[in-house]
Amino acid sequence: SAVISQKPSRDICQRGTSLTIQCQVDSQVTMMFWYRQQPGQSLTLIATANQGSEATYESGFVIDKFPISRPNLTFSTLTVSNMSPEDSSIYLCSVPGQIQETQYFGPGTRLLVL
Amino acid sequence: GEDVEQSLFLSVREGDSSVINCTYTDSSSTYLYWYKQEPGAGLQLLTYIFSNMDMKQDQRLTVLLNKKDKHLSLRIADTQTGDSAIYFCAVGGITGKLIFGQGTTLQVKP
Repeated sequence: SAVISQKPSRDICQRGTSLTIQCQVDSQVTMMFWYRQQPGQSLTLIATANQGSEATYESGFVIDKFPISRPNLTFSTLTVSNMSPEDSSIYLCSVPGQIQETQYFGPGTRLLVL
Repeated sequence: GEDVEQSLFLSVREGDSSVINCTYTDSSSTYLYWYKQEPGAGLQLLTYIFSNMDMKQDQRLTVLLNKKDKHLSLRIADTQTGDSAIYFCAVGGITGKLIFGQGTTLQVKP
């Protein structure tokens, strides 16, 4: 399985500010995925981050609100911009495992926006 | 669009079997997953099954897939209090994107 770490693990932020979440993987992966889990809800895919190209965003998510960087094959960042209380969620990154069909998740970043 | 549905809550007694059900709409789903989320923790991949399989067993876990009815189930034998968690069904294809169900909260009573 892939070992995935995320920073920060949790944060409390003021509305209008931005937070950058980091995701580090212990192996090189082509694709990385960013998901959001709103309180009491399921996971929703925000975007797919590929190294060397722009991220691909899902319907309802835009680059201005959730800019993503993917500088190399083991690292990615997701920024939550101009935050509002509705952005309070758990943000998780995910990568395929060494066995292609497996998918592993990081521990998540718990964000509370006041 | 694709949809994945799960019942929201299941309560069982310790030692009983638990069966968590999931239905999905996308017939092109290639891989089907079960994840476990404990309070305050991330998602743990429990098991997965290919769409061309009917069953997969892994220790106390049995996954059954009825592709015709687009129905997936997870059976946990000899359920323990440590199995109390939220269980998510997810489906995906070669893109790697996963569509998740709402999650089933499993409560195990001693």
